[in-house]
Amino acid sequence: DAKTTQPPSMDCAEGRAANLPCNHSTISGNEYVYWYRQIHSQGPQYIIHGLKNNETNEMASLIITEDRKSSTLILPHATLRDTAVYYCIVRTSTGTASKLTFGTGTRLQVTL
Amino acid sequence: DTAVSQTPKYLVTQMGNDKSIKCEQNLGHDTMYWYKQDSKKFLKIMFSYNNKELIINETVPNRFSPKSPDKAHLNLHINSLELGDSAVYFCASSLMGSTDTQYFGPGTRLTVL
Repeated sequence: DAKTTQPPSMDCAEGRAANLPCNHSTISGNEYVYWYRQIHSQGPQYIIHGLKNNETNEMASLIITEDRKSSTLILPHATLRDTAVYYCIVRTSTGTASKLTFGTGTRLQVTL
Repeated sequence: DTAVSQTPKYLVTQMGNDKSIKCEQNLGHDTMYWYKQDSKKFLKIMFSYNNKELIINETVPNRFSPKSPDKAHLNLHINSLELGDSAVYFCASSLMGSTDTQYFGPGTRLTVL
């Protein structure tokens, strides 16, 4: 079972910041938080990941609370092409392979 | 340049047939995965291979047999196809390590009639 909970859907106006929350209250100390998105029926696309520090890349920012029980993915200037299902995942590792357990995700609709 | 590719993109077949889906990655990764996304859109891991060795097997029926001829390829063979096997199958790959981000292929939509 997924170790994360996300709202099923969110709307965002184009050009505004999209803030997608995620709860992962049972996360262990060595487990990473990953974010992927899936546009229509394409393959999941990696966005960003973090352990305990906030992270930023060219796509998004990831804010992780100090207790690591929740995080927020921020798309600073959402565009119509950002409409997708966004998955917050706690990655578990077997040592030689990682396991991504996808939940139901948040369907983000970016509108004009 | 395609990083993770799958063939075919679409596969329509009759119940009881045997079919294969191929996956190739040109990222130099040493770990490859198969995921299944069913009609309700749940994405679940099926298998993981590291350097041609099976690492993860998520209670998948033994009609499904992954085969890894080398590090760059992980094929999925399905025997005696059933209606419930209809789904989109995604291949992924990663580098082994503590932050081994997985990169996914475009998917193969399998329809069993």
